[in-house]
Amino acid sequence: DAMVIQNPRYQVTQFGKPVTLSCSQTLNHNVMYWYQQKSSQAPKLLFHYYDKDFNNEADTPDNFQSRRPNTSFCFLDIRSPGLGDAAMYLCATSRERGAIIQYFGAGTRLSVL
Amino acid sequence: GQSLEQPSEVTAVEGAIVQINCTYQTSGFYGLSWYQQHDGGAPTFLSYNALDGLEETGRFSSFLSRSDSYGYLLLQELQMKDSASYFCAVKGDSNYQLIWGAGTKLIIKP
Repeated sequence: DAMVIQNPRYQVTQFGKPVTLSCSQTLNHNVMYWYQQKSSQAPKLLFHYYDKDFNNEADTPDNFQSRRPNTSFCFLDIRSPGLGDAAMYLCATSRERGAIIQYFGAGTRLSVL
Repeated sequence: GQSLEQPSEVTAVEGAIVQINCTYQTSGFYGLSWYQQHDGGAPTFLSYNALDGLEETGRFSSFLSRSDSYGYLLLQELQMKDSASYFCAVKGDSNYQLIWGAGTKLIIKP
């Protein structure tokens, strides 16, 4: 009964080769978030959508883009991955913006060679 | 600035009780939450305190003291499966973002 599904679980890409990570949700939540998490660190918010309204964090590199074609799906595009972009990418949803409870997918672990 | 502090690592014995502390400094406060994350897994919501006092959910309890800007997660009857990282997170004045602590790695020994 997975509610937030991320694909793929593991992604290997080459330095500079664009990559897209996907997230889908069956909760019909208004808000979808993308986090980056490196080893032994807290999740770092990259951006979020409130419905179709896109909100970018000030320190999110331009290399990271996102699309939300409909309520259920959200994509993270990394245009030119660098070695420093190797991390776990977590998608989360919440009913409303700023909700204390967020529902996370299992994550995509990205390796950059 | 806004920050949360929690110990980086705590070690306990199976069957025992352990407390993981979290102190916060934020502009505005609307609640403290706790998430569990197993190695390689996703964070999972555990509990939430908006008001002072203790909230109990099975073997897990969470406490909040707003006057002290402090909370803790209490895990009782520890099981090996409780080995994980535990994050506290605060809802502050930002209308969309949780502020996360760096996480506490709980190591349980038999």
